Amino acid sequence: KNEVEQSPQNLTAQEGEFITINCSYSVGISALHWLQQHPGGGIVSLFMLSSGKKKHGRLIATINIQEKHSSLHITASHPRDSAVYICAVDEETSGSRLTFGEGTQLTVNP
Amino acid sequence: DAGVIQSPRHEVTEMGQEVTLRCKPISGHNSLFWYRQTMMRGLELLIYFNNNVPIDDSGMPEDRFSAKMPNASFSTLKIQPSEPRDSAVYFCASSPGRGWADTQYFGPGTRLTVL
Repeated sequence: KNEVEQSPQNLTAQEGEFITINCSYSVGISALHWLQQHPGGGIVSLFMLSSGKKKHGRLIATINIQEKHSSLHITASHPRDSAVYICAVDEETSGSRLTFGEGTQLTVNP
Repeated sequence: DAGVIQSPRHEVTEMGQEVTLRCKPISGHNSLFWYRQTMMRGLELLIYFNNNVPIDDSGMPEDRFSAKMPNASFSTLKIQPSEPRDSAVYFCASSPGRGWADTQYFGPGTRLTVL
């Protein structure tokens, strides 16, 4: 079973700071997803990665397949970025199994 | 498109009652997923359909849970009989492609409380 670990569990930042959230996993994957869950509970898919890097606005996601590690970066953070960020991996050999990390609670203060 | 639609948004029921949660995926999407989220266990996949066919139901907790997808625009998740430990937020998501090889679009969730 794939172990998915996120760090940090909680993160508090000041508006404008550069933020990094990390995700490590233990077995080979075919894809990794970053999700954002807002305080109201809604979940939005931010990125799906299988290699390299993707960028959307102030958000950047990278993945290193060899090191089994992904990072989510937020540049020029804003209070509206406050949310729980969840990493999820689709295992290579599972057929159809998605394993979730526990999430990182981000709070950005004005 | 209205996105993924779930109903009801909130459900409060008593232990032993049958509960049915409903989901309408985004039109044209081929995959549909049911997830459960609790404080203790976080997000968990319950079942995944592709082209209306259940592909993986290994996440369904026990026989009390069942899910159907009679057509491409509707799915149900049923719990019978319900128990207090079933209290959670249940999310439905759909995706254009197969499995998790494509972006997932989540519904707003149904918050279930079993007393």
